[in-house]
Amino acid sequence: KNEVEQSPQNLTAQEGEFITINCSYSVGISALHWLQQHPGGGIVSLFMLSSGKKKHGRLIATINIQEKHSSLHITASHPRDSAVYICAVSRGVYSGGGADGLTFGKGTHLIIQP
Amino acid sequence: DGGITQSPKYLFRKEGQNVTLSCEQNLNHDAMYWYRQDPGQGLRLIYYSQIVNDFQKGDIAEGYSVSREKKESFPLTVTSAQKNPTAFYLCASSGRSQGSGYTFGSGTRLTVV
Repeated sequence: KNEVEQSPQNLTAQEGEFITINCSYSVGISALHWLQQHPGGGIVSLFMLSSGKKKHGRLIATINIQEKHSSLHITASHPRDSAVYICAVSRGVYSGGGADGLTFGKGTHLIIQP
Repeated sequence: DGGITQSPKYLFRKEGQNVTLSCEQNLNHDAMYWYRQDPGQGLRLIYYSQIVNDFQKGDIAEGYSVSREKKESFPLTVTSAQKNPTAFYLCASSGRSQGSGYTFGSGTRLTVV
């Protein structure tokens, strides 16, 4: 069983829809990261959180430490949001990366149709 | 602007040849990492370094080697011993302070023919 599980694996939605991507993990963590990977391959860090909720523009990330679960929400989705969204956890002392880097989920491939 | 530079973006090599992928950061980050990405799989850790002149094997280090002679640079060599080297390789770095986060490079796509 993977230590970080994401769902759904693929998601196609219409422009304007509210999007939710889920992440569950089975290990103790110091922080959880949400990342965005565009077709070119480069990865951008969206959020790093260890408790509660963070918001940036139309993106919202929440985490429930007790349930070992996090969600990434996109409000008023737009075709430019189409990308692979990756959940990753850090288990080291330093939430930014720690002793052994990050453990990644397999990603959610999101397509927003106009 | 600070960031991570990976070069080249695309690399083609013949089977049996060693190849070195470059990773440079100007973020003054202590830690640097190399990950491999294959279709349908999550990123997997190859090697990481927390400080100059020190590095540790990750989950899939066989067939790879690294060096960390300078804080800014963490090159990865894919050796001929790596059985399946064709993949997308990502370099990343992080600081030690709480909340410093993670920064990724744009990746190198290696194709071995």
